[in-house]
Amino acid sequence: GQNIDQPTEMTATEGAIVQINCTYQTSGFNGLFWYQQHAGEAPTFLSYNVLDGLEEKGRFSSFLSRSKGYSYLLLKELQMKDSASYLCAVLDSNYQLIWGAGTKLIIKP
Amino acid sequence: EAEVAQSPRYKITEKSQAVAFWCDPISGHATLYWYRQILGQGPELLVQFQDESVVDDSQLPKDRFSAERLKGVDSTLKIQPAELGDSAMYLCASSFTGGHTDTQYFGPGTRLTVL
Repeated sequence: GQNIDQPTEMTATEGAIVQINCTYQTSGFNGLFWYQQHAGEAPTFLSYNVLDGLEEKGRFSSFLSRSKGYSYLLLKELQMKDSASYLCAVLDSNYQLIWGAGTKLIIKP
Repeated sequence: EAEVAQSPRYKITEKSQAVAFWCDPISGHATLYWYRQILGQGPELLVQFQDESVVDDSQLPKDRFSAERLKGVDSTLKIQPAELGDSAMYLCASSFTGGHTDTQYFGPGTRLTVL
């Protein structure tokens, strides 16, 4: 079966750095997406990785290792507005998006 | 900035009633997706359209759910009759060409509560 694992919940402090991990086991791989979803709202696109390595975009960075079936989202200089769920999704061999359950990130002052 | 529009934002209905949700994708986006998301879970694809054609509806419970995109622009998702287990967020997303790595952009969603 296809599976994406993310921690259910994480807590971090305002101004700090947090890393949200995602491991996947899918039938094929054609890219990995990270989305942010505030409570009661729709997911918004953060990043897309298809090659190994780190992609940096402002305070957010996303890393991919295809050989390890592993990705992480790194959030720097955390702000209270970063409190949200972060969803990892993988494009499988049929180009279907397989979604993780999301990681709820709680930021404390 | 172009956005995906959805209505209504909230819907409360009784079981066995019919409900309908509407979605207007970003202008020029050929591909439209309907997802269902239960609290604490990731989105589950219900149906995918390329223009007016259904590309994938393998996860759509066809005994009670139907979806259409008659003119290849806006779309309607219907549930008849609604069941208690249908309570969820219904999300619509669109992408430019439906190409393999196209980013999907989501609307605000419709939160359905079935009593």
